[in-house]
Amino acid sequence: AQSVTQLDSHVSVSEGTPVLLRCNYSSSYSPSLFWYVQHPNKGLQLLLKYTSAATLVKGINGFEAEFKKSETSFHLTKPSAHMSDAAEYFCVVSNTGTASKLTFGTGTRLQVTL
Amino acid sequence: GAVVSQHPSWVICKSGTSVKIECRSLDFQATTMFWYRQFPKQSLMLMATSNEGSKATYEQGVEKDKFLINHASLTLSTLTVTSAHPEDSSFYICSGHPHSVGDTQYFGPGTRLTVL
Repeated sequence: AQSVTQLDSHVSVSEGTPVLLRCNYSSSYSPSLFWYVQHPNKGLQLLLKYTSAATLVKGINGFEAEFKKSETSFHLTKPSAHMSDAAEYFCVVSNTGTASKLTFGTGTRLQVTL
Repeated sequence: GAVVSQHPSWVICKSGTSVKIECRSLDFQATTMFWYRQFPKQSLMLMATSNEGSKATYEQGVEKDKFLINHASLTLSTLTVTSAHPEDSSFYICSGHPHSVGDTQYFGPGTRLTVL
């Protein structure tokens, strides 16, 4: 069984300040982990993924995430928030393998203020 | 690369009618496609997994006779909501899995269905 817990349903930051979106996972196997972003009324865009290579994963738009097995965490960070980062972010886990089912976290809404 | 489209992007229909939603992988062959449902301010819930040329596998609690899925080719899957009711109103999102890139799924832009 696999599960994902996103610890914050809502995060608000000022433009130009760091972003931290927290995610903890549970998986019986070596997991693949993803972060997806969803803008209002849009589909999901892949930000980054971890698949047992480097534990620090760099994604698009300046986002990165660090896989910490000892803490079962995969937190998403960005050094400096931009207004366009305001969106819903989903942490996702799947067991490694082709076409594996994805298990989604409940999402974190990121608000960026001036 | 790895672009998925959905059509229509939004649809309004009367209760009791059927609605078909298309999901296409534009620049890759998707041996497996997934259909999700998302209620307002909630996460995505997997409805079914479809493999090209075979019957879809539905998640527990999803009525297969109500949500008909066809994956007739490596680039097209369709979801038909039969005899739609207001409670079927939701945001439906598909994803495609290109076999060559492990388990990454690429998502379509979604279809908003409103049943009156």
